[in-house]
Amino acid sequence: QVQLQQWGAGLLKPSETLSLTCAVYGGSFSGYYWSWIRQSPGKGLEWIGEINHSGSTNYNPSLKRRVTVSVHTSENQFSLNLTSVTAADTAVYYCARFVHGTSSLWYFDYWGRGTPVTVSS
Amino acid sequence: DLQMTQSPSSLYASVGDRVTITCRASQSISSFLNWYQQEPGKAPKLLIFAASSLQSWIPSRFSGSGSGTLFTLTISSLQPEDFATYYCQQTYSSPYTFGQGTKVEIK
Repeated sequence: QVQLQQWGAGLLKPSETLSLTCAVYGGSFSGYYWSWIRQSPGKGLEWIGEINHSGSTNYNPSLKRRVTVSVHTSENQFSLNLTSVTAADTAVYYCARFVHGTSSLWYFDYWGRGTPVTVSS
Repeated sequence: DLQMTQSPSSLYASVGDRVTITCRASQSISSFLNWYQQEPGKAPKLLIFAASSLQSWIPSRFSGSGSGTLFTLTISSLQPEDFATYYCQQTYSSPYTFGQGTKVEIK
């Protein structure tokens, strides 16, 4: 059974950097892309970015200037860094496995439990 | 960005009811459409992928249909554990966007 376990700081001040890590247990790590998604009351579910085991990334243009997703393949982990946070970055952040299959078989099938992050002075 | 619009935003239904939720894409996305269920305080859970394929371990009362710009999620006979919020999502083009959600509440 695949499990995603995520962790990171939950309270930040404006201008600080958000850092989260997600560890993958079970299943293949190299055969998938790995994503970060956030959810806030104001903006709903928002895809942040993705990475594969070789470090190939793709980011949401709305966040690209501030986002870095990195991979630690030997540990089956991947991380999110979001710089210069503001109150607008307050959200629950999820990591998820992203299947890039054939034809239209692209979907998020396993999710972490979510990390609530609050940005407040 | 591709816009995904769900309707209704919320609905009230009773156990045993047939429920249909609609998702409309701002341009054609072929069958790159997924449906998720989210219970309060939990992560979204994949129900349907590629518009009509049922994820493993998901009950057969859930079904999806559509292609192009119009899609539907149907629950054939609503069960108590189905009261939740449902989201559609397109993976046709990046950034991969979600609908605003449809909350299914008890009548």
